[in-house]
Amino acid sequence: DQQVKQNSPSLSVQEGRISILNCDYTNSMFDYFLWYKKYPAEGPTFLISISSIKDKNEDGRFTVFLNKSAKHLSLHIVPSQPGDSAVYFCAATGLGGATNKLIFGTGTLLAVQP
Amino acid sequence: DVKVTQSSRYLVKRTGEKVFLECVQDMDHENMFWYRQDPGLGLRLIYFSYDVKMKEKGDIPEGYSVSREKKERFSLILESASTNQTSMYLCASSLSAGGLKTQYFGPGTRLLVL
Repeated sequence: DQQVKQNSPSLSVQEGRISILNCDYTNSMFDYFLWYKKYPAEGPTFLISISSIKDKNEDGRFTVFLNKSAKHLSLHIVPSQPGDSAVYFCAATGLGGATNKLIFGTGTLLAVQP
Repeated sequence: DVKVTQSSRYLVKRTGEKVFLECVQDMDHENMFWYRQDPGLGLRLIYFSYDVKMKEKGDIPEGYSVSREKKERFSLILESASTNQTSMYLCASSLSAGGLKTQYFGPGTRLLVL
């Protein structure tokens, strides 16, 4: 049973416009959410995170929004650049234990067209 | 900067061979993880370790084992490689302390089993 879902396998956006990547989760015990970016043949790199006590976190061009009542988070990239083209994974944690296991979504491939 | 390294970027093995994938991190992290990434399935957790000589099964441990003899090193072992283990293997590490839940990934090992 997929606890973290990214329902859009791919997204295409024009350079300079906004990219919005969505993620839904089912487990209300999750209390921390992360976004990772992955280029082909490389490991994922951490992008931005948000705790469940917040509803927004911003870092430069990247903003993550969290809607706890809807169990939904989104990543906004403004303005989008061709170098942002990658697979984006959302992940959630908070099910207890010291290891902070992450539950990942299946990823969304973002293509930013020049 | 956290650095996680993996022993090989690409490997080609034959069915039935024993395969060792090594991962080393240099940030004194307690937790280490092994994932595999397959198209449309996201990152799936194979095994993780929260301390030296400690290990726990993830979501898909069948056909794999692990070893953690030193804090900085976490090895993934395929006892008898099969073609369905062809995949991208990713190692990650994280701290246990406080609210620091970010996992840092290595570059990945792309394994082809013939």
